[in-house]
Amino acid sequence: AAGVIQSPRHLIKEKRETATLKCYPIPRHDTVYWYQQGPGQDPQFLISFYEKMQSDKGSIPDRFSAQQFSDYHSELNMSSLELGDSALYFCASSAPKGQSKTQYFGPGTRLLVL
Amino acid sequence: AQTVTQSQPEMSVQEAETVTLSCTYDTSENNYYLFWYKQPPSRQMILVIRQEAYKQQNATENRFSVNFQKAAKSFSLKISDSQLGDTAMYFCAFLETSGSRLTFGEGTQLTVNP
Repeated sequence: AAGVIQSPRHLIKEKRETATLKCYPIPRHDTVYWYQQGPGQDPQFLISFYEKMQSDKGSIPDRFSAQQFSDYHSELNMSSLELGDSALYFCASSAPKGQSKTQYFGPGTRLLVL
Repeated sequence: AQTVTQSQPEMSVQEAETVTLSCTYDTSENNYYLFWYKQPPSRQMILVIRQEAYKQQNATENRFSVNFQKAAKSFSLKISDSQLGDTAMYFCAFLETSGSRLTFGEGTQLTVNP
């Protein structure tokens, strides 16, 4: 079965640079979620989109923005990167409302800020 | 806000034996979902099992089963016939029925010994 696709899988950036993470949900899934997992921590919710509209917002820094496109893929844009942004970034997707609310995770993007 | 607590940072079990991981949560909601995810060394987040709060019957998935005690707000995971491949970090997670963000516990690192 098709899974959530994230790209790139690894990313190395310098401080103050920008980064764009991409997420392609499971086919026919219309909701996308972004999570950040720091070293030794549990994943923290950043933001979610349903039908291309922001549906919920968590502890996402103002330096970050995200959107969902007409083909349901999503991008997380990160600017003015800081050392503390080094983390594993997960995207997850879930099926249309009325169906399962289970979130299926992609493999993650490992971001290292130097 | 919901909180999820996993009181066992680390556990170990011998191959082929049974182990139970604990999880408690706090919520004022009546309808919600609970999940167990595993995160092996590859750091992929893999769904293990899910439980809808309105269902009294405990969920089972092959060697994995849960003991869901709604009144006690407890959701433990039992792994039978443990295998070396079960070695991973296990996260308990909570999701409101009307919400979109998963709230994770701190995780339990399970090691299966040969």
